Amino acid sequence: AQSVSQHNHHVILSEAASLELGCNYSYGGTVNLFWYVQYPGQHLQLLLKYFSGDPLVKGIKGFEAEFIKSKFSFNLRKPSVQWSDTAEYFCAEKAAGNKLTFGGGTRVLVKP
Amino acid sequence: NAGVTQTPKFRILKIGQSMTLQCTQDMNHNYMYWYRQDPGMGLKLIYYSVGAGITDKGEVPNGYNVSRSTTEDFPLRLELAAPSQTSVYFCASRGQTQETQYFGPGTRLLVL
Repeated sequence: AQSVSQHNHHVILSEAASLELGCNYSYGGTVNLFWYVQYPGQHLQLLLKYFSGDPLVKGIKGFEAEFIKSKFSFNLRKPSVQWSDTAEYFCAEKAAGNKLTFGGGTRVLVKP
Repeated sequence: NAGVTQTPKFRILKIGQSMTLQCTQDMNHNYMYWYRQDPGMGLKLIYYSVGAGITDKGEVPNGYNVSRSTTEDFPLRLELAAPSQTSVYFCASRGQTQETQYFGPGTRLLVL
């Protein structure tokens, strides 16, 4: 069965610090990979996605992610976080079929 | 264009009661999904549908039922509510040629 692992459940950092959230997926074939964000009290929104091509993907709000096939990883990064980046972040993969498999999520708290 | 809407936003049920969570999308999307979100567990797929009249089980379907009589609506039914069904429920949809899922605002359910 497909699985997605997010290694950090909680991350606390200060404004202007750099952020990197780990994500590993299990499917060995062609995958579509996503990062979704859920701001407090809101629904999930797409941050960025990777289907093919350049393994460095840029998304909204200054986020980027790098697809490394040899490591089965799709880590999310932001060079300098803001208080408004406080949210829960979910990595997801779509392998065969019409379904997404989500990781457990990482809660990020940015202290002002 | 409202996107994906869900009602109610919050509900308290007693054990053994039944209820229907409503989900409607106005984007003419073929695919619709129901997830539940539990702390630290990410999102788990309950049921999904690839079009009107077609539904299929996801990862955690026990205790739930769905129907898809129209393209727009995808209600989720709880017949005998149990405390284990306390969760936040999200509905999502996507188009035939899209991979990105669009999420509703969620329904928070508490079963006591």
